[in-house]
Amino acid sequence: NAGVTQTPKFRVLKTGQSMTLLCAQDMNHEYMYWYRQDPGMGLRLIHYSVGEGTTAKGEVPDGYNVSRLKKQNFLLGLESAAPSQTSVYFCASSYRLAGGGNEQFFGPGTRLTVL
Amino acid sequence: SQQGEEDPQALSIQEGENATMNCSYKTSINNLQWYRQNSGRGLVHLILIRSNEREKHSGRLRVTLDTSKKSSSLLITASRAADTASYFCATALIYNQGGKLIFGQGTELSVKP
Repeated sequence: NAGVTQTPKFRVLKTGQSMTLLCAQDMNHEYMYWYRQDPGMGLRLIHYSVGEGTTAKGEVPDGYNVSRLKKQNFLLGLESAAPSQTSVYFCASSYRLAGGGNEQFFGPGTRLTVL
Repeated sequence: SQQGEEDPQALSIQEGENATMNCSYKTSINNLQWYRQNSGRGLVHLILIRSNEREKHSGRLRVTLDTSKKSSSLLITASRAADTASYFCATALIYNQGGKLIFGQGTELSVKP
């Protein structure tokens, strides 16, 4: 099993350009998440999904959109990139467990620079 | 501010020594998890402790949880150079929809050979 994979690994954009980050998991997980990691800030949740066809906002959703058309894929879109979106983006997935206790499995990350 | 705050921000020790990292949080939790992140990599789950547990062990890892003080500690015994990484605590709140976690800012551990 590949686990959680992310495409691309690196990307440089100019301000105003758009792009889509792809996350795929082969563990049949219900839940998927997009985070951004900035120096000294830990991980912050952008959007998440509790199942195919559903998405919800996290802590820092502005400037991002997501879609979960297939259970195994979770896409993160930047419609008009800004320098403040320069960050490392991580995708994660987890099982749906009653009562919580959901260990999250992380992808390797996408390093995005917006000039 | 962040739900989880970690202390210290950075820790440097010699191989063979023990490393202790602390995490404090603000609101009631369902469980607390610890993750490790090697440089340039994604996070890897280490251990989970539930709100009704006080201590848990996994290999060289020992985690404690004090819900009255809203704090947790991660102890790595007999550290190795390969333990060099950043360590994050993450809390799952009660009535948590979607299995969301709130991550702390992390402790950067350096183990010198």
